[in-house]
Amino acid sequence: QKEVEQDPGPLSVPEGAIVSLNCTYSNSAFQYFMWYRQYSRKGPELLMYTYSSGNKEDGRFTAQVDKSSKYISLFIRDSQPSDSATYLCASPGSSNTGKLIFGQGTTLQVKP
Amino acid sequence: ETGVTQTPRHLVMGMTNKKSLKCEQHLGHNAMYWYKQSAKKPLELMFVYSLEERVENNSVPSRFSPECPNSSHLFLHLHTLQPEDSALYLCASSQVAGPYQETQYFGPGTRLLVL
Repeated sequence: QKEVEQDPGPLSVPEGAIVSLNCTYSNSAFQYFMWYRQYSRKGPELLMYTYSSGNKEDGRFTAQVDKSSKYISLFIRDSQPSDSATYLCASPGSSNTGKLIFGQGTTLQVKP
Repeated sequence: ETGVTQTPRHLVMGMTNKKSLKCEQHLGHNAMYWYKQSAKKPLELMFVYSLEERVENNSVPSRFSPECPNSSHLFLHLHTLQPEDSALYLCASSQVAGPYQETQYFGPGTRLLVL
């Protein structure tokens, strides 16, 4: 079983839709999670990070962790064509050397 | 130049060639990373350097040889690669290596094709 799993999509939504992107993780000891966004021909950039359980909101983006089900989510409200990208979830797991474990990434397309 | 830069952006090489990928960070960071991103696979960490010392080698074959001469530069030397090594190679840096709250900043990557 992969440590962090993500449905690769692709996911296509109309502009203005609410988008839900999801990941699961296998190790209940994982506590810290990130969402990276990767545009075509670019490197990933950190979008949000969360620690332990609960929600974290930043503008149109909300990150949510449900430790009981080992499920992490990223919600995008009022999605825009500029949100079209690949979204990667990640966790450092139990590493203390900077190692990040990534999901496969979900490709999102927001159509005008 | 700002952020993390990588050269070349694209590289085609034969299996008997020797080539090097270069990464430079302009952020004053002390940790640098090499990742491999293959189609339909998760981003995979290869190496971590902290203050020019290798602190993580994620079971990478010896045909990949990293070098970190100073905290701003990172190289990945390639020799006798296989076609399955074709991928996007990403470099990243962070202030330090280790604490989970350290943000890693990625370069645009080198797209490598091995023929």
